[in-house]
Amino acid sequence: DTGVSQNPRHKITKRGQNVTFRCDPISEHNRLYWYRQTLGQGPEFLTYFQNEAQLEKSRLLSDRFSAERPKGSFSTLEIQRTEQGDSAMYLCASSPLPQDRLSPLHFGNGTRLTVT
Amino acid sequence: QKEVEQNSGPLSVPEGAIASLNCTYSDRVSQSFFWYRQYSGKSPELIMSIYSNGDKEDGRFTAQLNKASQYVSLLIRDSQPSDSATYLCAVNVEYGNKLVFGAGTILRVKS
Repeated sequence: DTGVSQNPRHKITKRGQNVTFRCDPISEHNRLYWYRQTLGQGPEFLTYFQNEAQLEKSRLLSDRFSAERPKGSFSTLEIQRTEQGDSAMYLCASSPLPQDRLSPLHFGNGTRLTVT
Repeated sequence: QKEVEQNSGPLSVPEGAIASLNCTYSDRVSQSFFWYRQYSGKSPELIMSIYSNGDKEDGRFTAQLNKASQYVSLLIRDSQPSDSATYLCAVNVEYGNKLVFGAGTILRVKS
């Protein structure tokens, strides 16, 4: 178990540019989640996958955000035409399939995005 | 009303004391409850999970759940300066398959 891996750790970009983040979950975990966290707030749900299927996406998520998990293993989160308000820590988490209740999420170290 | 509410703190306790962290949630059908610890600039780290009413103990940590009152708490006994962090309460809501997090409580343990 090598844990959840996220790359890059930090990303600085100019407003209007596109960025892409990668997440490699714990290998035996079927579920993969993306969250966003800003200073002083808890993580905010963005979307989640079960294997390669994207099962839920936050209603608050702009159309500029898109996520994929093409082979049910790693996932990418792309933000198009970045805005300063996109500056945040982007967290990926994975979990096994729930049995009769939700399993805990295991988080990666996050990608800190700064939009200038 | 927010789905998961926590007092933002900071909660300051002396070393060796008991720290008590509280969380309320709005969804009566929530089934899964978690406490995470987050150090500044780091990602959340799971401390405890609790699913049934009552207490669950793990070392210096005790999680308490009261579904009738929609209340979950975390007690930290013999608090250490290394416990100083933000503690996040997370709950699944609306039969959902995601966790909703509170804003977190900042804990400061003074030596």
